[in-house]
Amino acid sequence: EAGVAQSPRYKIIEKRQSVAFWCNPISGHATLYWYQQILGQGPKLLIQFQNNGVVDDSQLPKDRFSAERLKGVDSTLKIQPAKLEDSAVYLCASSLSTGGRGPSYNSPLHFGNGTRLTVT
Amino acid sequence: AQSVTQPDIHITVSEGASLELRCNYSYGATPYLFWYVQSPGQGLQLLLKYFSGDTLVQGIKGFEAEFKRSQSSFNLRKPSVHWSDAAEYFCAIRDNDMRFGAGTRLTVKP
Repeated sequence: EAGVAQSPRYKIIEKRQSVAFWCNPISGHATLYWYQQILGQGPKLLIQFQNNGVVDDSQLPKDRFSAERLKGVDSTLKIQPAKLEDSAVYLCASSLSTGGRGPSYNSPLHFGNGTRLTVT
Repeated sequence: AQSVTQPDIHITVSEGASLELRCNYSYGATPYLFWYVQSPGQGLQLLLKYFSGDTLVQGIKGFEAEFKRSQSSFNLRKPSVHWSDAAEYFCAIRDNDMRFGAGTRLTVKP
């Protein structure tokens, strides 16, 4: 099966500019996640979608970050305006889980290769 | 809230030697635990997972992990390390979301 697709692979922008990342999950995966991974740290969840609804965006800096998954398939993550501390790898992941402790609850996350953002 | 801790930031082992990477978890109920590996410039790849049953879990690439409830641990092991195992390893715990440890970077000496 095709994996999680992300683009672009790399992006360099100046602070205060805007940037957008795109993710196409594995076909049939109901849940989509965006993670931020700062150098030397583990991934930190930014937002979790169940189909086209937001399940958890408690750690998303909503004053500058936004994300959408309008048709319940692919998703975009936007930063506007970017700050220096936003330099990180942005990982998209998807899973079969349909939410709650149902049969697919323990299904693992499948990750894309990420987008490395450098803010100068 | 659930969390995992990886006490070792960086480990160096010789090729052919055994490996154990530590992971401690904090969770009130039966945890769902995972180990992922990340090679440079790549996303995370699932090595193995535990959610119930046999406490010794086998994964890909010759890795295994043992769940020990009494010690709140889920350590990753491999009997003989290969140079290609050099990477970053992340322990993760799942409840409503997936939370990752800070990672352990593995260096393999020839």
